[in-house]
Amino acid sequence: GQNIDQPTEMTATEGAIVQINCTYQTSGFNGLFWYQQHAGEAPTFLSYNVLDGLEEKGRFSSFLSRSKGYSYLLLKELQMKDSASYLCAVRDLGYQKVTFGTGTKLQVIP
Amino acid sequence: EAEVAQSPRYKITEKSQAVAFWCDPISGHATLYWYRQILGQGPELLVQFQDESVVDDSQLPKDRFSAERLKGVDSTLKIQPAELGDSAMYLCASSPSLGGTDTQYFGPGTRLTVL
Repeated sequence: GQNIDQPTEMTATEGAIVQINCTYQTSGFNGLFWYQQHAGEAPTFLSYNVLDGLEEKGRFSSFLSRSKGYSYLLLKELQMKDSASYLCAVRDLGYQKVTFGTGTKLQVIP
Repeated sequence: EAEVAQSPRYKITEKSQAVAFWCDPISGHATLYWYRQILGQGPELLVQFQDESVVDDSQLPKDRFSAERLKGVDSTLKIQPAELGDSAMYLCASSPSLGGTDTQYFGPGTRLTVL
């Protein structure tokens, strides 16, 4: 099974940088997703990390350390529209079940 | 751009009634997932299909919930009878195949309110 831990809430200022951490314990690991979810909407895909290291996509970057069971999502040049929940999810081996954390609610303030 | 379709978008029902949700995955996607998301929590997997076969339904409350994907394309999730605690967002997602590096794509969800 999976145990996923991420902060419940974070607040950051418009234009700043914020890092959202995710730690996991797993019996079998395939990869780690980050999703963005605005209130009342479905999750939208941000990134999927399989190998160790940093992957950058525009203002968003995601990092993975498999040996440490650790990932983070880095958001640069924050905009008000980035206010949302950010979900960390782990895909396991075998039937590739995806287990989600509880999400981190990010509030961007002026 | 292809999308996962779900209907209805909103459903209000009384407890003890039956409800059904429909999902049409992206064309060609073999894997289909049903999740339940309670407000303030992450999505919880209810059932996962590979084509028409169930590969994981360990978290599905089988006394009241059922799911099918008869032709390996669209899927239906049913609750009978509905209980107050079933109020949640029901999300359908699909991916091209069984895992690997495939991304899950989510539909817009069905928000269920049980009165």
